[in-house]
Amino acid sequence: EVQLVESGGGLVQPGRSLRLSCGGSGFSFGDYAIHWVRQAPGKGLEWILGISWSSDSIGYADSVKGRFTVSRDNARRLLYLQMNSLKTEDTAVYFCAKDPRYRSGWNSPYFDLWGRGTLVRVSS
Amino acid sequence: SYVLTQPISVSVAPGETATITCGGSSIGSRHVHWCQQKPGQAPILVMYYDSDRPSGIPERFSGSNSGNTATLTISRVEAGDEADYYCHVWDSSSDHVVFGGGTKLTVL
Repeated sequence: EVQLVESGGGLVQPGRSLRLSCGGSGFSFGDYAIHWVRQAPGKGLEWILGISWSSDSIGYADSVKGRFTVSRDNARRLLYLQMNSLKTEDTAVYFCAKDPRYRSGWNSPYFDLWGRGTLVRVSS
Repeated sequence: SYVLTQPISVSVAPGETATITCGGSSIGSRHVHWCQQKPGQAPILVMYYDSDRPSGIPERFSGSNSGNTATLTISRVEAGDEADYYCHVWDSSSDHVVFGGGTKLTVL
């Protein structure tokens, strides 16, 4: 089955760190850029970052730049989102999403496959 | 930063046509993509590059983009089309993906 599956969400205190994972199956994971998009409770979608298929280019939204980093292990078909200095406003469901363009950079994407998301709650 | 504006809600009776707009400055010069999200579910792509429909999306879904408005049109609306719809574009000036605020489609 072609799918993305996020994991690692949970409750974390402000200022602490959390690492999310995104695993891909049913497609050639290493050939596609992957992005993270989040959705605060009752709110709309917010793009936060994207990483190219080869990890040679990464882009971040201003809201997470300097606090969040992304990496990928194509051999293990996994992508990691390291979230540091978490704030209450980072509370959201975090989705990973695939750009269908073969071996593309992270820019100008659209998303043909989304995971079901993992909930991150930042609260004291 | 670039802003996309969508109506908060659109209501339509079954069998009628739903029109969901996405407004932005000279949006016609950008590629617009649309996704559908049902409650508690992941989004799915319903339109890309303004008017291309992914496989598996019914022909009832169509898209257009010109001037300052992109439009997602759903003909012969069905109860199963009830969902939130989001447009998004690439903003090259900021190197960001920009999403519209989303439109809740209600089938009466």
